[in-house]
Amino acid sequence: DADVTQTPRNRITKTGKRIMLECSQTKGHDRMYWYRQDPGLGLRLIYYSFDVKDINKGEISDGYSVSRQAQAKFSLSLESAIPNQTALYFCATSEIGLGEQFFGPGTRLTVL
Amino acid sequence: KQEVTQIPAALSVPEGENLVLNCSFTDSAIYNLQWFRQDPGKGLTSLLLIQSSQREQTSGRLNASLDKSSGRSTLYIAASQPGDSATYLCAVNTGTASKLTFGTGTRLQVTL
Repeated sequence: DADVTQTPRNRITKTGKRIMLECSQTKGHDRMYWYRQDPGLGLRLIYYSFDVKDINKGEISDGYSVSRQAQAKFSLSLESAIPNQTALYFCATSEIGLGEQFFGPGTRLTVL
Repeated sequence: KQEVTQIPAALSVPEGENLVLNCSFTDSAIYNLQWFRQDPGKGLTSLLLIQSSQREQTSGRLNASLDKSSGRSTLYIAASQPGDSATYLCAVNTGTASKLTFGTGTRLQVTL
C-alpha cells in the first residue's frame, strides 16, 4: 500500500463549486504539505502543517483553505473554484530532521 | 527569494550514454537539496537527498553532487536506459520548515 494517498485522483468541476481534496499518510510523519503543479511553473507550495495545531500559508494560499484533522490527514479545500485553479495537486509529508519529502500520486483538478 | 533553474529543459540521448543534469540556485544558504523523478501524469519519486554538509550522494546508477558555495548541483546518470525516461526535478530546502523550492525540471528521453 502507498505511504501517501490522495483522493480523488481526478476531478472535474464547475466554476463556483466547493471542492475538497484529501490526503492520508501512513508514514507517521508530523509535517504535511500541499503543492500545485502548473506547466512551465514547477511546483509551488500552497499550505503546510507541522502538526494538528500548526498550519501555515505557503507561497500561493489565496483561494485555498486547509484542515489537519489528525496527524495522518490533511485536506485542501477550494471554497469557490475558478478556472485558473486547474492544476495537478500534490500532498507531501516529511519528518523533522532530515527534511526529505515524500509525495502522493497527485490529484488532477479541472475547473470548467 | 530563492530561485531554482534546471538546464537543459529537455534532453534526448541514446541508450547506454552517461549523462549529467544541472540544477542551480540563487541562495546558497540551503538546508538540503532533493532530486525527484516524475513520470507523465504521476507523482514525484524521491531519488536522492543531499544535506548541506555533504558533497555527494549515490544510489545505484545515480550520483548527485552539491556545491553550495557556487549554488549548483548535478545529477549524474550512468549507463542510461529507456526506463530512465522521465522528468527530473531538483528542489532546495532553505530552512528548517522543510519548504521546498522547485526547478521546472529536465525532461529526459532515452532512446533505443
